[in-house]
Formats: sequence, C-alpha cells, structure tokens
Amino acid sequence: GNSVTQMEGPVTLSEEAFLTINCTYTATGYPSLFWYVQYPGEGLQLLLKATKADDKGSNKGFEATYRKETTSFHLEKGSVQVSDSAVYFCALFSGAGSYQLTFGKGTKLSVIP
Amino acid sequence: DTAVSQTPKYLVTQMGNDKSIKCEQNLGHDTMYWYKQDSKKFLKIMFSYNNKELIINETVPNRFSPKSPDKAHLNLHINSLELGDSAVYFCASSQGTGRGNTIYFGEGSWLTVV
Repeated sequence: GNSVTQMEGPVTLSEEAFLTINCTYTATGYPSLFWYVQYPGEGLQLLLKATKADDKGSNKGFEATYRKETTSFHLEKGSVQVSDSAVYFCALFSGAGSYQLTFGKGTKLSVIP
Repeated sequence: DTAVSQTPKYLVTQMGNDKSIKCEQNLGHDTMYWYKQDSKKFLKIMFSYNNKELIINETVPNRFSPKSPDKAHLNLHINSLELGDSAVYFCASSQGTGRGNTIYFGEGSWLTVV
C-alpha cells in the first residue's frame, strides 16, 4: 500500500533560519508528490508538486525535489519568516487504482522573530 | 470566485442530531472527495466520486452518507451525530483520477458535537 512518513514536529526556528522537513514515501506505481500547507484556522493549500523523478517543485521560496532513488521529497526553504508558521503535509497520489491522496501526519512549524 | 467552496464553515450541534455539509466546485473537475482531519491533524479519505459514481468508500460508519447530485457538487450527510465525529471535514476536487492530477481543497468545515 501507499504511505508517507514525515519528520515529527513541532519544529521551532528563528526568523531567517534554514528549513528542512523530511518526507519519505512508499507507493505502488509511480506517484506524484505534493506538499500542502495549513495556516492556523485555515484550509489546505497546495504549496508545490512534482510529478516525475528529479522534478523540482517550488513556490514562495519553498523547494522540494522528487528523489526516486531514495523515495524522498524533502521540503526546504532558505530563510523562513514568521508568516511561514503553519502545518506542512507531505502527500502522494499514485492513481494506479488508488484514486486518493495519502498524507503524512503533518509537521507543525513555528517561526519566532 | 472560490474554486472549492463548502458550507457551513463552522457547525456546533448536539449529539444525536443530523447535519449536512455542502460542497461545490467551479473548476469543471470530474472527481470530488471528502477528507476528515482529526484533532491530531491527521488527514484521511472518506469518500470519492468520479463523474457522480462512488469510487472510494473507506471504512466509515454508515451514519455518514455522501450524495453527488451532479459533478460539481458533493454533499456529506451525517446522521445521529456522536462526540467522536467532531473534526474538520474537507471537500476536495481534481480533474480526474490519474497520477498527474492535483487535488484542490476547500476551506474546511469545523464540526463540533456537544
């Protein structure tokens, strides 16, 4: 079956620090990979995606590269801001009869001034 | 215009009541979903419809019943609400069911059962 494992939180960083949130996956078939973000009290927003090996998804200064050899899709940002405080979810969509997004458990990020 | 909209955003109700959450998407997508987010933020699929046909029906109590009157709408009806039903319910949609699709979520409906 499909599963996503992401690093446990919470993660607390100072403003302008470097961020990495690790994400690894197991999947049947060849999945697409996603990062979603949930700001406090809000819904899920798509942050970035990658659909094939070695693709890099990027948005709002965040990046993640689809690494098929290590089955990973780690999220990075070079300099976080207070406004990046949120819960980040790694997810995969394999199609292949699965027809659903499989989510990791989420990582809560708090950025302090 | 909001792409995936769901109503109500907040709902507080008593145990034993019946309630519905409505969802509409204006993206022209063929596939719609209901996800549940529990108190620990864990997200799990409940149902999915493709072209009004149920394609995912996860292990949820049969008090939960989805209804898709057309491709743009997927409503969730819950009978005999229980305390454990308190959660955030997300509606979502995608163009199709293939691996290249992106799933777009609504703002969520915060259900509290008292």
